[in-house]
Amino acid sequence: IQMTQSPSSLSASVGDGVTITCRASQSISSYLNWYQQKPGKAPKLLVYAVARLQSGVPSRFSGSGSGTDFTLTISSLQPEDFATYFCQQTYMTPWTFGQGTKVDIK
Amino acid sequence: QVQLQESGPGLVKPSETLSLTCTVSGASISSYYWSWIRQPPGKRPEWIGYMFNSGSTNYNPSLKSRIIISVDTSKNQFSLKLSSVTAADTAVYYCASSLGVAAAADAFDIWGQGTMVTVSS
Repeated sequence: IQMTQSPSSLSASVGDGVTITCRASQSISSYLNWYQQKPGKAPKLLVYAVARLQSGVPSRFSGSGSGTDFTLTISSLQPEDFATYFCQQTYMTPWTFGQGTKVDIK
Repeated sequence: QVQLQESGPGLVKPSETLSLTCTVSGASISSYYWSWIRQPPGKRPEWIGYMFNSGSTNYNPSLKSRIIISVDTSKNQFSLKLSSVTAADTAVYYCASSLGVAAAADAFDIWGQGTMVTVSS
């Protein structure tokens, strides 16, 4: 299953709202997860099963969607949110990731 | 607190076998699914495969002919062997698992710090 994110990169300011889109090449039901990765670090789970926030993740992060189209929204960007975000499908193996969306400072 | 730690050579010659070990602390290797994931510099992560139930495996078909994931329950470790490596296998290699409520979605909620492996002569 191919996972395609858009945009590949975006520039935003602290306090801005940001939306990242992930599209699957076929229906993946609700098996969609989101990760945040900072340079030199392992990915960190933010959202699993489309909309369930991982423990400890701030409520400014939210996920939505179903079937083939999904979104990750950050309601008000904070300095620590500048990073790369990946979606991942776990509907069927091989589990696959999107190409990533880099969020940097405008 | 569960921790994963990858170990192994940082440099492997072309055509040779890459061997990595993940040491698990704070959880039993006999439970859960234990995965290997790699990420070439600047690219998306790629799931390599997982091991569960102390030996059953599921591999990415793109790598299946070259990989073996095995377990050493006495040391609470699992290992990756990738044979016939080329420069395209250069990547950061992570071990990861799903241990909490996110396990229902097979989401990776625990990762090792990763180890960079370069394939070069």
